[in-house]
Amino acid sequence: SSELTQDPAVSVALGQTVRITCQGDSLRSYFASWYQQKPGQAPVVVMYGKNKRPSGIPDRFSGSSSGTTASLTITGARAEDEADYYCNSRVSGGKHLVFAGGTKLTVL
Amino acid sequence: EVHLVESGGGLVQPGGSLRLSCAASGFTFSNYWMSWVRQAPGKGLEWVANINEDGSERYYVDSVKGRFTMSRDNAKNSLYLQLSSLRAEDTAVYFCARYYVGATRFFDYWGQGTLVTVSS
Repeated sequence: SSELTQDPAVSVALGQTVRITCQGDSLRSYFASWYQQKPGQAPVVVMYGKNKRPSGIPDRFSGSSSGTTASLTITGARAEDEADYYCNSRVSGGKHLVFAGGTKLTVL
Repeated sequence: EVHLVESGGGLVQPGGSLRLSCAASGFTFSNYWMSWVRQAPGKGLEWVANINEDGSERYYVDSVKGRFTMSRDNAKNSLYLQLSSLRAEDTAVYFCARYYVGATRFFDYWGQGTLVTVSS
């Protein structure tokens, strides 16, 4: 399958830890990258490769992967982390890409 | 500083055509793969197409293959997406993004997007 799936919505209490997962067969072969998108804004990459954070992304964001599941963890969620999160990966032969449907994160 | 600025969006009738442009600055454009990603109103992100550094390789999502053509002009630091035979389901914000290709691959910079509306 060339699909990636995410839970549509997740909530977390302020200061707590939340894990957002992404599942797909292609994740056995390719790393996921993760994007944060706030309303009316362009996406921003928050994680890529094997737990690599771009400069400027807080270290409360971390990533992991096992088998067909990639995860983005936010440790000590803050109000500004409320956003949509999307995972992306290469699929079938590595020349095409796919995004999962996204997870809306609510910080309570 | 990397900047990507899309233009060319607008209202077009079903079956019509449109050409999107993306002006790049702040990096050596000819050294990077580039991508188009779209987002229908209220929906998630959808990868549309990729092009390699010299334009010799192009890849498209199945839903646009044969209708959309991605190209680039490295002398002008510009990326293009020619949209043809447009359908209502092509209505979306179209983002231009730089696609980093190395030991890992990801979209490292994004433009703000241009809205394409397909409607009669």
